[in-house]
Amino acid sequence: AQKITQTQPGMFVQEKEAVTLDCTYDTSDPSYGLFWYKQPSSGEMIFLIYQGSYDQQNATEGRYSLNFQKARKSANLVISASQLGDSAMYFCAMRSLPGGTSYGKLTFGQGTILTVHP
Amino acid sequence: KAGVTQTPRYLIKTRGQQVTLSCSPISGHRSVSWYQQTPGQGLQFLFEYFSETQRNKGNFPGRFSGRQFSNSRSEMNVSTLELGDSALYLCASSNTGELFFGEGSRLTVL
Repeated sequence: AQKITQTQPGMFVQEKEAVTLDCTYDTSDPSYGLFWYKQPSSGEMIFLIYQGSYDQQNATEGRYSLNFQKARKSANLVISASQLGDSAMYFCAMRSLPGGTSYGKLTFGQGTILTVHP
Repeated sequence: KAGVTQTPRYLIKTRGQQVTLSCSPISGHRSVSWYQQTPGQGLQFLFEYFSETQRNKGNFPGRFSGRQFSNSRSEMNVSTLELGDSALYLCASSNTGELFFGEGSRLTVL
């Protein structure tokens, strides 16, 4: 069974500062993928970044980067230069790889509410 | 490119009724997954359909069912609604990469 743990129920950051959202995971699968999603108050889940367990380099997407430490089973999201529009709920999630059986089944953490102050 | 479309966005039902939610995936995506989101349980996987076949199912009672049509559009149905079924129901579509979610259908059961 897979498990995602996000230990920070809420985080605060000043506009233009960087913030790290923590995520640890547990799985017995030999290969897996890790995701981060943003959920604003509208409810839509917005894909931010993806890291495969065999990827050698940490994933980056614009202001988002994923600090992947496989031995520690952590996949922290780093948001640089925070903006007011970054205020939202953030979810870490994972799924087994390779697909072929189920691409659509993700296990989510409980989420972290990020508030960006001006 | 159109995103994932879910209808209706909001609905109110009473206990014992049934509800059907619809999801149109991104064009070309063959996998559609459904999730239930509640404040207490968080995001929980309901089921996934691929090419009209249910490929995976979460730990939900038989009152929750779904199907997928030949055009990849999917519906989920909840029968004999209970108060605890009040939730945001999210649909996601994918091929082999990341999942793209819709804005969800917010169901309130009175």
